[in-house]
Amino acid sequence: AQRVTQPEKLLSVFKGAPVELKCNYSYSGSPELFWYVQYSRQRLQLLLRHISRESIKGFTADLNKGETSFHLKKPFAQEEDSAMYYCALSGRGATNKLIFGTGTLLAVQP
Amino acid sequence: DTEVTQTPKHLVMGMTNKKSLKCEQHMGHRAMYWYKQKAKKPPELMFVYSYEKLSINESVPSRFSPECPNSSLLNLHLHALQPEDSALYLCASSQLSGVLTFYEQYFGPGTRLTVT
Repeated sequence: AQRVTQPEKLLSVFKGAPVELKCNYSYSGSPELFWYVQYSRQRLQLLLRHISRESIKGFTADLNKGETSFHLKKPFAQEEDSAMYYCALSGRGATNKLIFGTGTLLAVQP
Repeated sequence: DTEVTQTPKHLVMGMTNKKSLKCEQHMGHRAMYWYKQKAKKPPELMFVYSYEKLSINESVPSRFSPECPNSSLLNLHLHALQPEDSALYLCASSQLSGVLTFYEQYFGPGTRLTVT
């Protein structure tokens, strides 16, 4: 079964501290993995995807197929990073179906 | 124009009412989606349209009726809803994905629906 697991509902860190938001997935084939972010009172938007291997707003995520993980990392958290973060998965093909994890609320304290 | 717009922003309706949610995009995307999001929960896929045809229905109750009149518009017709249908309804659009690629979904701001 396709599933995305984010074990932490809330992650609270101080400004300048490193951040790691965990994401594990279950998928029988070769999935595409994404991180979406939802800032307060703003729409859901794509933060990054594994296939592009970009660093957006200082965040990176590496796909580890052995551990079926796609953790989101940032070396130094900023207050403006406070938001809800969703890890999401899509199988390859034309179904256009995106499956979201339960989300982690990141709170960066001053 | 790189945004997905949704109207109305808020909607309150009774269980016997009929109402519609509207979604519009002008990015030339040929895939459009409806999601339902309950408070503090992730979005749940309801419907997918590809080339204006319904391609995925995630076993959504028939009181929700989607419609895609053209490539830029997506409607969700609501009838005889229940209080538990109260949620944020999100529309999204994307280019059509292929076997080797998956295109980013662009989300609208949502319609906050309250069923009384």
